[in-house]
Amino acid sequence: GAGVSQSPSNKVTEKGKDVELRCDPISGHTALYWYRQRLGQGLEFLIYFQGNSAPDKSGLPSDRFSAERTGESVSTLTIQRTQQEDSAVYLCASSLAPVTPNTEAFFGQGTRLTVV
Amino acid sequence: AQSVTQLGSHVSVSEGALVLLRCNYSSSVPPYLFWYVQYPNQGLQLLLKYTSAATLVKGINGFEAEFKKSETSFHLTKPSAHMSDAAEYFCAVSENLNSGYSTLTFGKGTMLLVSP
Repeated sequence: GAGVSQSPSNKVTEKGKDVELRCDPISGHTALYWYRQRLGQGLEFLIYFQGNSAPDKSGLPSDRFSAERTGESVSTLTIQRTQQEDSAVYLCASSLAPVTPNTEAFFGQGTRLTVV
Repeated sequence: AQSVTQLGSHVSVSEGALVLLRCNYSSSVPPYLFWYVQYPNQGLQLLLKYTSAATLVKGINGFEAEFKKSETSFHLTKPSAHMSDAAEYFCAVSENLNSGYSTLTFGKGTMLLVSP
């Protein structure tokens, strides 16, 4: 596609429910990142995919968070048993491989998750 | 680990005035530095990046930033603010993950407010 697409754009869920957030990267981008942006905070790195493998999951805040990627396309971030502190904007980004320090990452518009 | 500090969560300027957004970094190796802009309800867009080719970097929309190693700074400037510049600005440094790949470490962001 023309850009990184995320869905849904907004999600309100009840505490304790599971949610799935979707990211469609730019076609041909093999690197994919998930970040979390909480109110008044910077972007917090969650996980990185190279193709469909995740060499770095160190940013996932708890075992309630998981992510997968199908081939070099769609990625899904799943949050189980959501808590109020999970409320944030979840941003996805993609970039060309090989990933180098000066590679530009392209961001989606984000999914605003509100846990009530 | 590398880190980024943005001084001032909010900066207010009048239309036509100089814009100065401050960013300081810590890094044990020569850094790759980025400025991103986020307009309301949109994803992040790359403004400019420093990759050691030149210390003064020009970006889109009339913005520029100067890398000063002695001050570990990468401040963003624009000579004359426009109403359309109102947005949140993020400074970021590229960081190598344990996996050998790179991701971005972001500052907490500075909201630029432009008044008529």
